[in-house]
Amino acid sequence: GAGVSQSPRYKVAKRGQDVALRCDPISGHVSLFWYQQALGQGPEFLTYFQNEAQLDKSGLPSDRFFAERPEGSVSTLKIQRTQQEDSAVYLCASRWTGTGEQYFGPGTRLTVT
Amino acid sequence: QQQVKQSPQSLIVQKGGIPIINCAYENTAFDYFPWYQQFPGKGPALLIAIRPDVSEKKEGRFTISFNKSAKQFSLHIMDSQPGDSATYFCAASNNYGQNFVFGPGTRLSVLP
Repeated sequence: GAGVSQSPRYKVAKRGQDVALRCDPISGHVSLFWYQQALGQGPEFLTYFQNEAQLDKSGLPSDRFFAERPEGSVSTLKIQRTQQEDSAVYLCASRWTGTGEQYFGPGTRLTVT
Repeated sequence: QQQVKQSPQSLIVQKGGIPIINCAYENTAFDYFPWYQQFPGKGPALLIAIRPDVSEKKEGRFTISFNKSAKQFSLHIMDSQPGDSATYFCAASNNYGQNFVFGPGTRLSVLP
């Protein structure tokens, strides 16, 4: 693929439901990031992977948030028992090495009703 | 100390004008300062970035000015065009960019 892809692009969940958001990074990219972007705000860091290792999860807002990247490529961000405050755009970014430019996907807009 | 402040919140200029967006940070451990451009429904895209060992960097119509002592940096867009209308985010990171902190964004409108 030409860039980072995310699916679904839009997700509506009822409060209390679990959701899973998928990120397909650029092939060969070692580093992968997840961000949460509230309406009218800048992205906020959630977690960082290098290959399959989750090196930093300091930004995950609660233990309802869980991210994995089991084979070092595709990553899934899971949110359990969704709350209204979880409504945001979730952005994924990948990077070829430990340094350099991050390439962002288009995001998944999550709306919790 | 992790916060990055950004101003103005919104900006309107005429075509050909030079919009300037300012950012300030507190954490002296930050060593990488990128600027991102975001269009509606898209993810942010890197425009230009600077490290604190230089005071200015220019790429095409985009220039970053960096003041290490004041812990401030700014983006200048020369000869702005209507196609530059977007939201611009400054960011900062340390450890070679493993934990990015973004500013709240500036919505720029360039009038034809």
